Amino acid sequence: AQSVTQLDSQVPVFEEAPVELRCNYSSSVSVYLFWYVQYPNQGLQLLLKYLSGSTLVESINGFEAEFNKSQTSFHLRKPSVHISDTAEYFCAVSVKAAGNKLTFGGGTRVLVKP
Amino acid sequence: GAGVSQTPSNKVTEKGKYVELRCDPISGHTALYWYRQSLGQGPEFLIYFQGTGAADDSGLPNDRFFAVRPEGSVSTLKIQRTERGDSAVYLCASSLIVRGEQFFGPGTRLTVL
Repeated sequence: AQSVTQLDSQVPVFEEAPVELRCNYSSSVSVYLFWYVQYPNQGLQLLLKYLSGSTLVESINGFEAEFNKSQTSFHLRKPSVHISDTAEYFCAVSVKAAGNKLTFGGGTRVLVKP
Repeated sequence: GAGVSQTPSNKVTEKGKYVELRCDPISGHTALYWYRQSLGQGPEFLIYFQGTGAADDSGLPNDRFFAVRPEGSVSTLKIQRTERGDSAVYLCASSLIVRGEQFFGPGTRLTVL
């Protein structure tokens, strides 16, 4: 079975400051890795994903995440946050050989302060 | 185009009652997933369909939970003899193919009194 740990349940950050959301996973088989975002009163949206290839993946709104196989991590970073980045962020994995069901972490709530 | 829709958006019921939650996936999406999100936690997988058949129902917590997708499009999650612990947001997602990106609906918030 797979598990995902998001070490920080809440991260307060000032506007234009950098932010890092930590994600570690456990799996005995190869996995795909995802970050989803849930803005207030909206559904989950895919932010970025790692399937294969380059270990650094980027989103269109300035987020990036790096897959580190040796540390089984997939931390999410943004060098300068905006008020509009206030949301809950979920890290998730799926097993390559077993459909596409997602195992989620507990989520990290990011509150961007002016 | 329309996204994934779920009805009702909110459902309040009494302990012991039966409820049905509906999911309308994006048109043409062959895979459909149900997840449950309890307060303060991440979503947990319940079941997924490839077409009309349940390809993996390993996340259903017990036999009070059942889901169908008779025509390979709309799906209904059915919960019998509801318990207070069933209170959660039930999320539905669909994807064009089994390993494609999952698009989530807004969820149904179920409250069991």
